[in-house]
Amino acid sequence: GQSLEQPSEVTAVEGAIVQINCTYQTSGFYGLSWYQQHDGGAPTFLSYNALDGLEETGRFSSFLSRSDSYGYLLLQELQMKDSASYFCAVRVEAGKSTFGDGTTLTVKP
Amino acid sequence: DTGVSQDPRHKITKRGQNVTFRCDPISEHNRLYWYRQTLGQGPEFLTYFQNEAQLEKSRLLSDRFSAERPKGSFSTLEIQRTEQGDSAMYLCASSLGLAGVNEQFFGPGTRLTVL
Repeated sequence: GQSLEQPSEVTAVEGAIVQINCTYQTSGFYGLSWYQQHDGGAPTFLSYNALDGLEETGRFSSFLSRSDSYGYLLLQELQMKDSASYFCAVRVEAGKSTFGDGTTLTVKP
Repeated sequence: DTGVSQDPRHKITKRGQNVTFRCDPISEHNRLYWYRQTLGQGPEFLTYFQNEAQLEKSRLLSDRFSAERPKGSFSTLEIQRTEQGDSAMYLCASSLGLAGVNEQFFGPGTRLTVL
């Protein structure tokens, strides 16, 4: 079976830093992705880690530890527009990904 | 705009009816995926295509669901004899399908309501 665990909700203030964790237990592992989804919108790709370490893209960074079956998404200099749901997803086969249930991030002024 | 498009955006149907959704992926993408998403959940994998070949189908998918991608371009997802439990957002995504590249581009979805 496949299971991904991430917190259901996180709240932070504008300008702060927030970390969203994801732990996984899957039958296969090619890499870990992160997606952002605003209410009523489609998921949009943020990052993909196939190897251990930190990947940085602007204000967002993503980390992976394959030995710990763990990753996180780090959002810096939070802005109101970052309020959204964030999903981690494990690529379990070449063309198949399993998504977590998402973390709702609320950014307050 | 050359993003992923889906049609229709909303569909209301009565239980027992058949419905069909269409997805047009980004033109150069050879992989196409179908997902289902309900409120408060992440996208749930249904199936995916590499060009016209359907390579994987979720075991959660009943025989009432079928998908095609006849010429390796657009795809259709058909649900036969719909049930109220089929009510959900149906998302289509596409990707280049290259090793090391895993960015999937999602369409706006088709929201299905089964009465």
